[in-house]
Amino acid sequence: NAGVTQTPKFRVLKTGQSMTLLCAQDMNHEYMYWYRQDPGMGLRLIHYSVGEGTTAKGEVPDGYNVSRLKKQNFLLGLESAAPSQTSVYFCASSSPRVSVNTEAFFGQGTRLTVV
Amino acid sequence: QQQVKQSPQSLIVQKGGISIINCAYENTAFDYFPWYQQFPGKGPALLIAIRPDVSEKKEGRFTISFNKSAKQFSLHIMDSQPGDSATYFCAASMSSSARQLTFGSGTQLTVLP
Repeated sequence: NAGVTQTPKFRVLKTGQSMTLLCAQDMNHEYMYWYRQDPGMGLRLIHYSVGEGTTAKGEVPDGYNVSRLKKQNFLLGLESAAPSQTSVYFCASSSPRVSVNTEAFFGQGTRLTVV
Repeated sequence: QQQVKQSPQSLIVQKGGISIINCAYENTAFDYFPWYQQFPGKGPALLIAIRPDVSEKKEGRFTISFNKSAKQFSLHIMDSQPGDSATYFCAASMSSSARQLTFGSGTQLTVLP
């Protein structure tokens, strides 16, 4: 059981380049999330999805786009990378069912550096 | 707008001591309060969680104390061990908002041998 898998694990981009981060979960979770982690600021929500074909903005959505074409996958895109997007990105998934542990499971993270 | 405030930023404890991390929240609609543990290079992992209808939850050496009227909750680690050295995050979410987690800023705990 892999849980939540993120690819790639590391990436260096030049300012203005684009890239897509892939998140895959095998727990059949309806909810998926993208967070970024910066020193001293905890994790902040970028975008989230409550089901296949749906997406919504979180706290810090500017400069990012997302898509959820399949229930198990959640993609995070950077169209034109900026140094301010240097961060560690985490994908997470959870179930909305109140009878199930509402724990959110996190991936291992993607460390992105924009130069 | 930081809705969950966490303190201290860093904490150094001797082996066998008690580690205490505090959090305060603003939004009374939060109905789930988890604590996450994160080791370097890893993603956060759920440590223990509490709902606002109870004032305390204990799992092994880890205890959450919850004060609904003060809008505060804390993590107590009893008999702290060097293996507990990690970053701890408090968080809060609400069932009406897709279980989005609002995190505190984190506490880096170091337990000295």
